[in-house]
Amino acid sequence: EPEVTQTPSHQVTQMGQEVILRCVPISNHLYFYWYRQILGQKVEFLVSFYNNEISEKSEIFDDQFSVERPDGSNFTLKIRSTKLEDSAMYFCASSGQRSSTDTQYFGPGTRLTVL
Amino acid sequence: SQQGEEDPQALSIQEGENATMNCSYKTSINNLQWYRQNSGRGLVHLILIRSNEREKHSGRLRVTLDTSKKSSSLLITASRAADTASYFCAPRVNNFNKFYFGSGTKLNVKP
Repeated sequence: EPEVTQTPSHQVTQMGQEVILRCVPISNHLYFYWYRQILGQKVEFLVSFYNNEISEKSEIFDDQFSVERPDGSNFTLKIRSTKLEDSAMYFCASSGQRSSTDTQYFGPGTRLTVL
Repeated sequence: SQQGEEDPQALSIQEGENATMNCSYKTSINNLQWYRQNSGRGLVHLILIRSNEREKHSGRLRVTLDTSKKSSSLLITASRAADTASYFCAPRVNNFNKFYFGSGTKLNVKP
């Protein structure tokens, strides 16, 4: 069964450094998402992406964050200058063609630790 | 609020028993989806029920939806230790394509 993959599984970085989290959505999916989960807290929506542009973003997704689909398979989340509070699990998700109301399939996540 | 809220927050049962989790939401929905999350892992999609459906089955899972009460329930029959996880409902609000997740129900199935 097709699945969403994410790399790396764990990223450790120093405060102020830039990080790029990578995701390979399910091929032929057109809608892409990033969520995050701070340890012990809810899964929070960050951003959705369709047709090469952001379709929605939450208030968490400030100017430090950006997303990109640099080629036909990857979907990336960049944090420009990481803060301690960015430490969390970051989940990528994708959904299919029919409509934006289709099932979202989640990747296994990248654990980001900011020191 | 567009998120679902799960109830109870925690549920502990013996293997073989049934587990029932409830979800309430506040707005009109297009569909409602249930997800499972094992500790520290990604969310796994379990089942989707559309707003015009009242009940749906998938293996040991049974989901009901009552749009008049804005509630849904997930029943896991003959539970197994491997069912131990957190379970989340995700109401899909019309014309919005993001999910708002609640705090989930943490299910512990004791062997």
